[in-house]
Amino acid sequence: GENVEQHPSTLSVQEGDSAVIKCTYSDSASNYFPWYKQELGKRPQLIIDIRSNVGEKKDQRIAVTLNKTAKHFSLHITETQPEDSAVYFCAASRGGTSYGKLTFGQGTILTVHP
Amino acid sequence: NAGVTQTPKFQVLKTGQSMTLQCAQDMNHNSMYWYRQDPGMGLRLIYYSASEGTTDKGEVPNGYNVSRLNKREFSLRLESAAPSQTSVYFCASRGDAGRGGNKQYFGPGTRLTVT
Repeated sequence: GENVEQHPSTLSVQEGDSAVIKCTYSDSASNYFPWYKQELGKRPQLIIDIRSNVGEKKDQRIAVTLNKTAKHFSLHITETQPEDSAVYFCAASRGGTSYGKLTFGQGTILTVHP
Repeated sequence: NAGVTQTPKFQVLKTGQSMTLQCAQDMNHNSMYWYRQDPGMGLRLIYYSASEGTTDKGEVPNGYNVSRLNKREFSLRLESAAPSQTSVYFCASRGDAGRGGNKQYFGPGTRLTVT
């Protein structure tokens, strides 16, 4: 089955800096890669996603890049703010009869210091 | 539009007791999922239901059963709870892949402790 590795496990940055979180996946048939943000005690919230026919997607301060050949994808957050502090999870899914099943990475605890 | 709802929010069980976690969605989604979240391990899929009337095992199904009662509701049952099942349980749902992609929406979670 699919295996998703996420790094780093913790990331500490100063407000205004950029943050990058990287994930690798094992199943070359995976074609959908979402990123979730989870605040303490809350549910995971989808913040951005990318499909395998696209190399990069941006939404304001957040961007995701995908390298299908190397089987890795990354989350980029620019101009970080204290409210960006949370746990971030990457995930991967293959289409067709997988019915949208997601395999998650282990998570990255992002701390943004004011 | 409440999205995905779960009950209860918290539960404490003794080893060997049984209970059912309830999940409902009002987005007319076909697919529903149950995940567990343990520290340092991300979220792991327990069971899923691709459509009303169908269910299938995920990555960690042992010790659990599910029922897709109708299109809205998908319940998770622990027949004989064990301390290893102490976790936070999340239900999620997803619309048709052709309409808005594969986005999964999560419920608020149930925090379960088994003593």
